[in-house]
Amino acid sequence: SQKIEQNSEALNIQEGKTATLTCNYTNYSPAYLQWYRQDPGRGPVFLLLIRENEKEKRKERLKVTFDTTLKQSLFHITASQPADSATYLCALDNSGYALNFGKGTSLLVTP
Amino acid sequence: GAGVSQSPSNKVTEKGKDVELRCDPISGHTALYWYRQSLGQGLEFLIYFQGNSAPDKSGLPSDRFSAERTGGSVSTLTIQRTQQEDSAVYLCASEPGEVDEQFFGPGTRLTVL
Repeated sequence: SQKIEQNSEALNIQEGKTATLTCNYTNYSPAYLQWYRQDPGRGPVFLLLIRENEKEKRKERLKVTFDTTLKQSLFHITASQPADSATYLCALDNSGYALNFGKGTSLLVTP
Repeated sequence: GAGVSQSPSNKVTEKGKDVELRCDPISGHTALYWYRQSLGQGLEFLIYFQGNSAPDKSGLPSDRFSAERTGGSVSTLTIQRTQQEDSAVYLCASEPGEVDEQFFGPGTRLTVL
């Protein structure tokens, strides 16, 4: 069966450090993968999209990698700030059908 | 410009009643999605509309759930004979094209007593 796995345990890091979140998947052949941020009581907000032929994508302090051999995406936030505290969701293309979302990983950045 | 809006923001209903949830997507967006999110869970896909194509209903959990999109714009998700397990936040998202970011609304929190 298809699975998208994100670390269910919250990630706690200190301000200024780099946060790294993982998204692993099985039984998908995604043409692209997306990362979203969700704050409590709000809908998710799009952050980055990376295509299968792209190894890495950057946007300001964010960096996403996509390894289709390992079936894994890594999401990095450099120089993290308390305002980065949120839940981060990865979402996979499902061969032209609707995006499938992972359950998300909660990030807490402490001063 | 205006984002995706959903109404009502909160809905409390009694078991067995029907409810209608509304989504106003961003003007010009061709795709519209409905998801639901239970406490501490990820987004569960319900239904997907893309332009004039037949909707992808593969995520609807039972025949009590239905949705329509009128004129390629506003969408209504209807849940008939609500059950307590239907309690969740229902999120709507619209998308400009077929491979693009999704813009989410704030959601409707449904509580079935």
